[in-house]
Amino acid sequence: QLQLQESGPGLVKPSETLSLTCTVSGDSISSSNYFWGWIRQPPEKGLEWIGSIYYSGTTYYNPSLTSRVTISVDTSKNQFSLKLSSVTAADTAVYYCTRLVGALRWKNYMDVWGKGTTVTVSS
Amino acid sequence: QSVLTQPPSVSGAPGQRVTISCTGSSSNIGAGYDVHWYQQLPGTAPKLLIYVNTNRPSGVPDRFSGSKSGTSASLAISGLQAEDEADYYCQSYDSSLSGYVVFGGGTKLTVL
Repeated sequence: QLQLQESGPGLVKPSETLSLTCTVSGDSISSSNYFWGWIRQPPEKGLEWIGSIYYSGTTYYNPSLTSRVTISVDTSKNQFSLKLSSVTAADTAVYYCTRLVGALRWKNYMDVWGKGTTVTVSS
Repeated sequence: QSVLTQPPSVSGAPGQRVTISCTGSSSNIGAGYDVHWYQQLPGTAPKLLIYVNTNRPSGVPDRFSGSKSGTSASLAISGLQAEDEADYYCQSYDSSLSGYVVFGGGTKLTVL
């Protein structure tokens, strides 16, 4: 059974870089029919897609975050990672990693989600 | 401001039928991109409820159904149960800019 687990610091200082890793177990991250992505949810707010990556390294990002976001994949560790630079309090959220079905990004939907990890931006 | 528009809240009594709308535009739903729905129970991660407009993953009761027409989509829940009380989100793809995944703002379903 596929499982996704987020890990990383729960507290990040303003202007620093938020770094999270998602470990995939139960399937290979190199499966050709899937993207892997990050979604976030600020307190008491809705879902926001951050970006997605294919096992080959192809990425696409939310236009509102693209200047600050980098998503990478490590197929040898079956992991993918998120880096969000120059964070502010507005980046405080629960961050979820997900598997997105579909090798074509316009057909992507999220069929498996991690439990989420809370990241607070504060000095 | 979400790209896809959902009502903030809906409610219904047990056993009733409710619908949640998801309104987009010509660059997302109206362009023919699929709509997917997620259920988020309090304090938990979202769960896929409907994919590719009308399809239910294994284990999702047939009380949940999806439809799509023009620039909008809808989620219908019949035979409302107390455990259906949750937040519901629609999701699609928008072709503007370089193309990206978009969500609705979410709808809180209250079972009276």
